[in-house]
Amino acid sequence: AQTVTQSQPEMSVQEAETVTLSCTYDTSENNYYLFWYKQPPSRQMILVIRQEAYKQQNATENRFSVNFQKAAKSFSLKISDSQLGDTAMYFCAFMKPSGGGADGLTFGKGTHLIIQP
Amino acid sequence: NAGVTQTPKFRILKIGQSMTLQCAQDMNHNYMYWYRQDPGMGLKLIYYSVGAGITDKGEVPNGYNVSRSTTEDFPLRLELAAPSQTSVYFCASSYSKGAGNTIYFGEGSWLTVV
Repeated sequence: AQTVTQSQPEMSVQEAETVTLSCTYDTSENNYYLFWYKQPPSRQMILVIRQEAYKQQNATENRFSVNFQKAAKSFSLKISDSQLGDTAMYFCAFMKPSGGGADGLTFGKGTHLIIQP
Repeated sequence: NAGVTQTPKFRILKIGQSMTLQCAQDMNHNYMYWYRQDPGMGLKLIYYSVGAGITDKGEVPNGYNVSRSTTEDFPLRLELAAPSQTSVYFCASSYSKGAGNTIYFGEGSWLTVV
């Protein structure tokens, strides 16, 4: 079974700073998908960014980018120019290559990110 | 632009009562899921379905039942509610192949069992 570990329960940074959230995972699979989801106080789960393990290039989405280190099984999220609206829980998630069926997503416990004005 | 729709959004149940959480998606996704999120935790998979008429257990299925009679709908049934089932429940869906199998979530249903 896969496991996902987020070692930072809470982080706090000033607005406009850059912050990096850590995620490590354990799997015997060679191909898989990794995700970061954002959960604001409304509790809605919002996809932030996705990475395919077979792609060496790190995924980017505007101010959000990842540092994917396959050998180290590490998948960190960097948020540049942080904004007050980035305050939320952030979940790292893993999916096997068999797709949505077998196990769905395996989630870490989350990191509560607080952006201070 | 409905996506994944869950009802009700909030519900209080008494111990031993039963209820059904409704979920519908309009994206023609084959895969559908039910997750629960306990305080301070990530989401855990309760049940999933790979298509109409096919369902299977996830990590925490005890105390729940599901059915999938159509592609669009995937209701979750709680029988004999217990305080341990107090949680936020998320329905989700995805394509069976391609698109990186991104899973799209509903807005959640807050359930309290007292």
